[in-house]
Amino acid sequence: DVKVTQSSRYLVKRTGEKVFLECVQDMDHENMFWYRQDPGLGLRLIYFSYDVKMKEKGDIPEGYSVSREKKERFSLILESASTNQTSMYLCASSQGEAGELFFGEGSRLTVL
Amino acid sequence: GENVEQHPSTLSVQEGDSAVIKCTYSDSASNYFPWYKQELGKGPQLIIDIRSNVGEKKDQRIAVTLNKTAKHFSLHITETQPEDSAVYFCAAGGTGFQKLVFGTGTRLLVSP
Repeated sequence: DVKVTQSSRYLVKRTGEKVFLECVQDMDHENMFWYRQDPGLGLRLIYFSYDVKMKEKGDIPEGYSVSREKKERFSLILESASTNQTSMYLCASSQGEAGELFFGEGSRLTVL
Repeated sequence: GENVEQHPSTLSVQEGDSAVIKCTYSDSASNYFPWYKQELGKGPQLIIDIRSNVGEKKDQRIAVTLNKTAKHFSLHITETQPEDSAVYFCAAGGTGFQKLVFGTGTRLLVSP
């Protein structure tokens, strides 16, 4: 089975801190994604990557950056966390175009 | 860009009843319509999908119907069971994963 592992299930950070959310997949998938999940807003795409060192902006990239140095690892970076970035963050991976998305269990970030 | 609306936001049914969740989309170029189920504390998981060359697809107790003319698609769950309780997300997309847009989710509660 595909496994997508997000390193932290719960984080509490202070405004202005730099935050790293790590995601690792074990199925050699080409594509990796970061989504943000908020009540009433569904899942919104922040960034995605279809190859090592490649990245593309999603629908809400402002305030975020990403890094993909290895195929299996995709990191989401909040350079200076703000309270409006308090949310659930979901990482996913897939193979090919329009392939099934395999999600991690999520990282719930609270910014105080 | 694509916009996906999902209704209802919450749905309560008795065990054994049927449940229907409806989604509409705006981009006539969309041709891929997956449904994801998110159980408490877990990431979303694909349960069924349909492509635009098909009007209906069934998998045991779940089915999805698509009306491309009206730009809407629906998830049907028959003989609901308590383990069907979860949040369900519809999504719509064209060729290429980056165009997948999610609905806002439906919380389904199945009471014994």
